Amino acid sequence: KQEVTQIPAALSVPEGENLVLNCSFTDSAIYNLQWFRQDPGKGLTSLLLIQSSQREQTSGRLNASLDKSSGRSTLYIAASQPGDSATYLCAVWERGNDMRFGAGTRLTVKP
Amino acid sequence: SQTIHQWPATLVQPVGSPLSLECTVEGTSNPNLYWYRQAAGRGLQLLFYSVGIGQISSEVPQNLSASRPQDRQFILSSKKLLLSDSGFYLCAWGAGHHGYTFGSGTRLTVV
Repeated sequence: KQEVTQIPAALSVPEGENLVLNCSFTDSAIYNLQWFRQDPGKGLTSLLLIQSSQREQTSGRLNASLDKSSGRSTLYIAASQPGDSATYLCAVWERGNDMRFGAGTRLTVKP
Repeated sequence: SQTIHQWPATLVQPVGSPLSLECTVEGTSNPNLYWYRQAAGRGLQLLFYSVGIGQISSEVPQNLSASRPQDRQFILSSKKLLLSDSGFYLCAWGAGHHGYTFGSGTRLTVV
């Protein structure tokens, strides 16, 4: 059964720092991996979707990479801002199944 | 474009009362639909998913049920709520390679 782990569980950084969030999964037979952002009390907002044939996706200050063989993905946030404070979730999709989510990384960016 | 609507946003219900949460999707046909629950400080737990009208799969045995009376409508119900049913309920639709899109969520508090 697929298990998704996110490290660290929480992260606090000063504004302006570049940071990396990690996601690992146990079964490499995935079709895609998706990173989400969740603000307190809100739904999930999709940030980046990486197909299994891709190695990375970029959107603005965000860059997500995928290494299927090692079961890892990273979300890189450049020049962090207080508005980036949120919980970041990664999820993997296997055909014929639902998406499996990690427990998330709670990010705090201090002004 | 595809949009997903979920209501109500918040709900306070007494123990033993019934529940009905509704989710509708626009801009797509025959979507895969999902109900997730997120308990405080925990990850997302898949409750039900549906691949078509009248087709419901349950992931977790509990006193909740789901129905799909129309192609783009997904309803989460309970006949008698328990305190343990409190949580944040999220509806999502998934299009495989296109990833998941989530609704804004319903905060349910059972008192």
